[in-house]
Amino acid sequence: SAVISQKPSRDICQRGTSLTIQCQVDSQVTMMFWYRQQPGQSLTLIATANQGSEATYESGFVIDKFPISRPNLTFSTLTVSNMSPEDSSIYLCSVETGYNEQFFGPGTRLTVL
Amino acid sequence: QKEVEQNSGPLSVPEGAIASLNCTYSDRGSQSFFWYRQYSGKSPELIMFIYSNGDKEDGRFTAQLNKASQYVSLLIRDSQPSDSATYLCAVEHSGAGSYQLTFGKGTKLSVIP
Repeated sequence: SAVISQKPSRDICQRGTSLTIQCQVDSQVTMMFWYRQQPGQSLTLIATANQGSEATYESGFVIDKFPISRPNLTFSTLTVSNMSPEDSSIYLCSVETGYNEQFFGPGTRLTVL
Repeated sequence: QKEVEQNSGPLSVPEGAIASLNCTYSDRGSQSFFWYRQYSGKSPELIMFIYSNGDKEDGRFTAQLNKASQYVSLLIRDSQPSDSATYLCAVEHSGAGSYQLTFGKGTKLSVIP
């Protein structure tokens, strides 16, 4: 498995602003993923972030709204831009450890007013 | 559209009974299947994975896979109140090395003391 941390753990933001979420893992991993989990719902994949390449976004998610950085094999950031109340959600990063298993960070609970 | 279907529950079982959680998937090419447990307010925790048809046992948990029927299940023997959580079925997208998961909506399990 892997030890994954996320910052911040929660935040309350005003509409129109942006928030950058950090994901740090304790070992080098090739593949990191960003998910959203809206209240009472399951997880939806936002994008796949591989080090050294552009993030790959799923249908319904665009780079202008959710820019992602992956500067090295242990760190990634997701920015939620120009936020609206509909962006209120839990944002989770996950890593694939090389054994086809994904492990999740603790999540960032975002509330947009 | 890759879909993963689960009964949302809640599924209530008495302590000590067997809990049976079911999942069907639409992508016939999927090869890897995962069960996650998610306690309220926490991130998903990987508890089982299965790649081959048949049963896979790990302690009180048994995962069952039938690729012909596109069906995967999780049995929890000797259910304990601490097993009360939402169980998420996840299916890896077909295609070598994608590692992208599609999650079901989850089944909420309540184990009654």
